[in-house]
Amino acid sequence: DVKVTQSSRYLVKRTGEKVFLECVQDMDHENMFWYRQDPGLGLRLIYFSYDVKMKEKGDIPEGYSVSREKKERFSLILESASTNQTSMYLCASSFSGGNTEAFFGQGTRLTVV
Amino acid sequence: GQQVMQIPQYQHVQEGEDFTTYCNSSTTLSNIQWYKQRPGGHPVFLIQLVKSGEVKKQKRLTFQFGEAKKNSSLHITATQTTDVGTYFCAGNRDDKIIFGKGTRLHILP
Repeated sequence: DVKVTQSSRYLVKRTGEKVFLECVQDMDHENMFWYRQDPGLGLRLIYFSYDVKMKEKGDIPEGYSVSREKKERFSLILESASTNQTSMYLCASSFSGGNTEAFFGQGTRLTVV
Repeated sequence: GQQVMQIPQYQHVQEGEDFTTYCNSSTTLSNIQWYKQRPGGHPVFLIQLVKSGEVKKQKRLTFQFGEAKKNSSLHITATQTTDVGTYFCAGNRDDKIIFGKGTRLHILP
């Protein structure tokens, strides 16, 4: 059974903290994605990685960075968390080539207080 | 960059009625994907359409891809309570999967 696992289901952090969200996939996928989901705004792409150490900005990268040191792991970093980063964060992975489905993790509900 | 617009944002239907959600892109799409997210869950892939004018069916669900490959639709016949959730379309932009805002379907008993 394919799996994308996010390290936390729920997280509460203080404003200004550095926050790490971890995602691991066991499908040997080249592509990995970080999205945030907010009511009425759908899924917005934060960052995308197509290979180890390779990354591209998505549509809303401001305030975020990412790390991909190993193929199976993709980390999202909030350098200094702010209340407007309170959201549901979803990690996904897929094979490369553009015609393959994405598999999602269960999501991390982050609250910044 | 490429945007994928989806309407309506919300839809309430009586159980047994039909439901349709529409997806439009500002640019020609290489493919269109559809996902379903149940309440409290994560998006799950339903189907992918690649060819111009393509129509695919999954039981009560019918998916269409426009001739110009700029629009798509998902039609559910005779909705059931299990159809509740948010349906997303997604287009591909240089291997990045770009989602529409989704249509949240509510079923009234």
